Amino acid sequence: KAGVTQTPRYLIKTRGQQVTLSCSPISGHRSVSWYQQTPGQGLQFLFEYFSETQRNKGNFPGRFSGRQFSNSRSEMNVSTLELGDSALYLCASSITGSGMGEKLFFGSGTQLSVL
Amino acid sequence: QKEVEQNSGPLSVPEGAIASLNCTYSDRGSQSFFWYRQYSGKSPELIMFIYSNGDKEDGRFTAQLNKASQYVSLLIRDSQPSDSATYLCAVTGTASKLTFGTGTRLQVTL
Repeated sequence: KAGVTQTPRYLIKTRGQQVTLSCSPISGHRSVSWYQQTPGQGLQFLFEYFSETQRNKGNFPGRFSGRQFSNSRSEMNVSTLELGDSALYLCASSITGSGMGEKLFFGSGTQLSVL
Repeated sequence: QKEVEQNSGPLSVPEGAIASLNCTYSDRGSQSFFWYRQYSGKSPELIMFIYSNGDKEDGRFTAQLNKASQYVSLLIRDSQPSDSATYLCAVTGTASKLTFGTGTRLQVTL
């Protein structure tokens, strides 16, 4: 069974640009969650999607947005990039969702560097 | 007060010893508790989960939950150098949101 696939693996952008990250969950998983990981803050929850609907949202500015498609694949977009957005962005999938007490399966992440 | 708190470490234990990793949480209504292991440069992987008070054992790993004290721990018996990693505690709170602690770095020395 294929795992969670995130693309691209690495990204370098400059301030002010926007970026789109992609996540394909494990087959049969309908929930996709996104996390930002930085050395100082650890794993910070961005949002969770289930059946194309955002079910939960963390405390991030509106520059961070996401969506989920009918095949459960999800994309995350960050507009007007700031230096502080440099981080590892992790996507995790589960059958019905992290809020249901389910186990999450993580992708390898996208390392974003903003110059 | 952080929602999920862990000592950042590093926690250094000799090979073969028991490593004890601790986590406290603030949401008294939390129901699900997880331990993830993250090797440097890799993504987190689930190693243990516990829902009820008490102990849950899986091989060399034991998760312990005390809801009254809002405390969850992970014991690793017969620690191996391959156990050297960052261990993340995660808790599902009443808002149905999974919150991670910042992790404890474990170093198992030869």
